[in-house]
Amino acid sequence: DAKTTQPPSMDCAEGRAANLPCNHSTISGNEYVYWYRQIHSQGPQYIIHGLKNNETNEMASLIITEDRKSSTLILPHATLRDTAVYYCIVRGDNYGQNFVFGPGTRLSVLP
Amino acid sequence: DSGVTQTPKHLITATGQRVTLRCSPRSGDLSVYWYQQSLDQGLQFLIQYYNGEERAKGNILERFSAQQFPDLHSELNLSSLELGDSALYFCASSPRAGSAVEQFFGPGTRLTVL
Repeated sequence: DAKTTQPPSMDCAEGRAANLPCNHSTISGNEYVYWYRQIHSQGPQYIIHGLKNNETNEMASLIITEDRKSSTLILPHATLRDTAVYYCIVRGDNYGQNFVFGPGTRLSVLP
Repeated sequence: DSGVTQTPKHLITATGQRVTLRCSPRSGDLSVYWYQQSLDQGLQFLIQYYNGEERAKGNILERFSAQQFPDLHSELNLSSLELGDSALYFCASSPRAGSAVEQFFGPGTRLTVL
């Protein structure tokens, strides 16, 4: 699996959009970009994933650059409950591939 | 609520002991995954089962073993426990194996080894 690089921490004002970057410059063509978050010590929560195209769901939007070497997770209107560690993961299609979690980005949403 | 259940929520035991952690996947999910999260190692993949068969192994110690039963629930057995085994243990499930399929995580079991 390709490695990812994320900033260790970010702050965001409540009600504003939170834009979380992720670099995955060694990503290969069959690898998906996944985003999960973990609030305190709860189980990681799936947010969104994509291969090439931008994706949007009820939680967030995922913007993947054309060369696929980086992506941005966008939480359009951050709330205090969005304070969490956000993990960007690249996962391949090989047999037995599973999620490799890095240290992630600790997002603090401030009132 | 992801639909994945884990029991017990907390477990306190002594070094050298053996414990069993249980996971019930979401209804219809065939694949079960186990992860360990300790303070110094982060979230680490341990093992995956798919429809009763072992599919992939990660950083799982020989003292640890797992199985998936015909009703698709899974158990993770930890033996000869050491202080360093204290961690959160998460189970996740997905409808099938493969990279395009998201995994849904349970609330975890917090294991404390004294």
